[in-house]
Amino acid sequence: DGGITQSPKYLFRKEGQNVTLSCEQNLNHDAMYWYRQDPGQGLRLIYYSQIVNDFQKGDIAEGYSVSREKKESFPLTVTSAQKNPTAFYLCASIASRANTEAFFGQGTRLTVV
Amino acid sequence: GENVEQHPSTLSVQEGDSAVIKCTYSDSASNYFPWYKQELGKRPQLIIDIRSNVGEKKDQRIAVTLNKTAKHFSLHITETQPEDSAVYFCAASSEGKLIFGQGTTLQVKP
Repeated sequence: DGGITQSPKYLFRKEGQNVTLSCEQNLNHDAMYWYRQDPGQGLRLIYYSQIVNDFQKGDIAEGYSVSREKKESFPLTVTSAQKNPTAFYLCASIASRANTEAFFGQGTRLTVV
Repeated sequence: GENVEQHPSTLSVQEGDSAVIKCTYSDSASNYFPWYKQELGKRPQLIIDIRSNVGEKKDQRIAVTLNKTAKHFSLHITETQPEDSAVYFCAASSEGKLIFGQGTTLQVKP
């Protein structure tokens, strides 16, 4: 069953702790993206990667880090430097740089307690 | 960098009426403009898209228009139905960077 999978669905973190959100796809897509979704602010781009071992900052990269060691995987680390990390995080993948449909994961809701 | 503005933020229509959502973008290099629908508790899904070499595209009750000169594009939904109620996002893509608008919450009243 092909698709893009995010885990976990819900995540709780204590202030001052780093946490890593998982995103895996078996669609053989080249490009992967991380977005943050807050009410009234749409989907804001955190980081994106168009090929393995390369990634670019989006509009709100501060306090986040990523890696792209494998084509299938694009984990996002929310560091303690992120001032307001409580949000819904969505991962997406696209087949190639040629503009085509983005497929989204089911999202991870991160809550800082 | 690219900036996408979307209006209105909320839209309420009667069943059977039309709904229009408008977006503007800033990067003239953007060449792909998709629209996504996100139902409550679900992931966004593509409903229609348009490329910069096309001015209009239609798929049943939904259509998208693009004005490259003015850098704006619009989503038109005709004969709205209660199941059209959702959050709609426009987006613009340039060199693989996909930027979304703020979203429009559409409510279709039966």
